[in-house]
Amino acid sequence: EIVMTQSPATLSVSPGERATLSCRASQSVSSNLAWYQQKPGQAPRLLIYGASTRATGIPARFSGSGSGTEFTLTISSLQSEDFAVYYCQHYNNWPLTFGGGTKVEIK
Amino acid sequence: EVQLVESGGGLVQPGGSLRLSCTASGFTFRSYWMHWVRQGPGKGLVWVSRIKSDGKNTIYADSVKGRFTISRDNAKNTLYLQMNSLRAEDTAVYYCARETAEDGANYLDYWGQGTLVTVSS
Repeated sequence: EIVMTQSPATLSVSPGERATLSCRASQSVSSNLAWYQQKPGQAPRLLIYGASTRATGIPARFSGSGSGTEFTLTISSLQSEDFAVYYCQHYNNWPLTFGGGTKVEIK
Repeated sequence: EVQLVESGGGLVQPGGSLRLSCTASGFTFRSYWMHWVRQGPGKGLVWVSRIKSDGKNTIYADSVKGRFTISRDNAKNTLYLQMNSLRAEDTAVYYCARETAEDGANYLDYWGQGTLVTVSS
């Protein structure tokens, strides 16, 4: 099973600032990596797939990069609605596994 | 608009059974692979199971293999998860999710709001 490790666990950022979230895979997942956003009491929402492709309706301030074992989600200028928990997920093989999440909170 | 609505959650004793349902609308259900993902209280997301569009191929996480069964009724646009021999560690919100139609990719493009399963005596 591929272990996905996200860092940091919590990121404190001021509105308008840039946020950089990391995700590391225990073995190569190529570009088979997705990012999801989850707000309290809500279902996860797909943000990024293929490591760098934004899902339908996702604002351009969200960008993904990386391949192999190292991935990054960048939020260029945090808006109030972006404070949430972010998860990465690989889909290179079975089982699918998620990272433990990064909580982006208001500084 | 794609909608996935889960139901069937509740309180069950250890060793008991429960069947979850997920009713889909707004897309051609029979054309998509579907998944169940769970989230324990205050914890992260854990993939549980997947079923192909025709229902003929399924796969499970090791933690539920032999206890849970995923199935679907394409005529009713409904996905199911039969959960037997439930344990305290199965307590979670269970989400159904649609897999993208993109060939060979297993990311989840739409999720339901989830149904809570609590296993406790």
